[in-house]
Amino acid sequence: DVQLVQSGGASVQPGGSLRLSCEASGFFFPEFAMNWVRQAPGKGLEWVSGITGSGGRTYYAASVKGRFTISRDNSRNILYLQMKNLRVEDRAIYYCAQEERGGNRHFESWGQGTLVTVSS
Amino acid sequence: QTVVTQEPSLSVSPGGTVTLTCGLNSGSVSVFSYVSWYQQTPGQAPRPLMFNTNIRSSGAPDRFSGSILGNKAALTITGAQADDDCVYYCALDMGNGIWVFGGGTKLTVL
Repeated sequence: DVQLVQSGGASVQPGGSLRLSCEASGFFFPEFAMNWVRQAPGKGLEWVSGITGSGGRTYYAASVKGRFTISRDNSRNILYLQMKNLRVEDRAIYYCAQEERGGNRHFESWGQGTLVTVSS
Repeated sequence: QTVVTQEPSLSVSPGGTVTLTCGLNSGSVSVFSYVSWYQQTPGQAPRPLMFNTNIRSSGAPDRFSGSILGNKAALTITGAQADDDCVYYCALDMGNGIWVFGGGTKLTVL
């Protein structure tokens, strides 16, 4: 079974940094694009960032571009989201999501979510 | 800026049929190949229901179906059950590595 186990959520001050991790198992990690999706308290889902299976291409929402960096370690089956210059509006539950391949692209499997709080 | 629109809330009676839609602030959803739908219950991660507009995800009940209605994608629940009372999101792959979610529809079954 596919499992995505997340860690790294914490409470930080505005301007601070944080790195989220998502450890994958149950599938051949390097073959799948991965994404981060967040959900502010009481709000809807917002796509944050994506990365191809090889890690060669990365994509970002305008709201985080230049502040967040997505990366992956295919030797350890781990996806990362490095977040810098955090803002109050970045407060959210962050989910990692496996993107199904080829002609069936969608977010098939999701992590359990990890809470990031940004406040002074 | 691309905005994906969904009804903020809908209601349906148990056993009834309801259609949720997913549109764009400009243009037709049908130009995008990868439209997917997700279901989220409180405190849980979203789970996939539908992809490629009308293909049910593994485990999704067959009372859920997807289609294109005019310029919008649609998710229809036929024979709604109490368990369907939750929030539904659509997502569009914009084709350049970017995804956009709709604002979500809170479905009430009563």
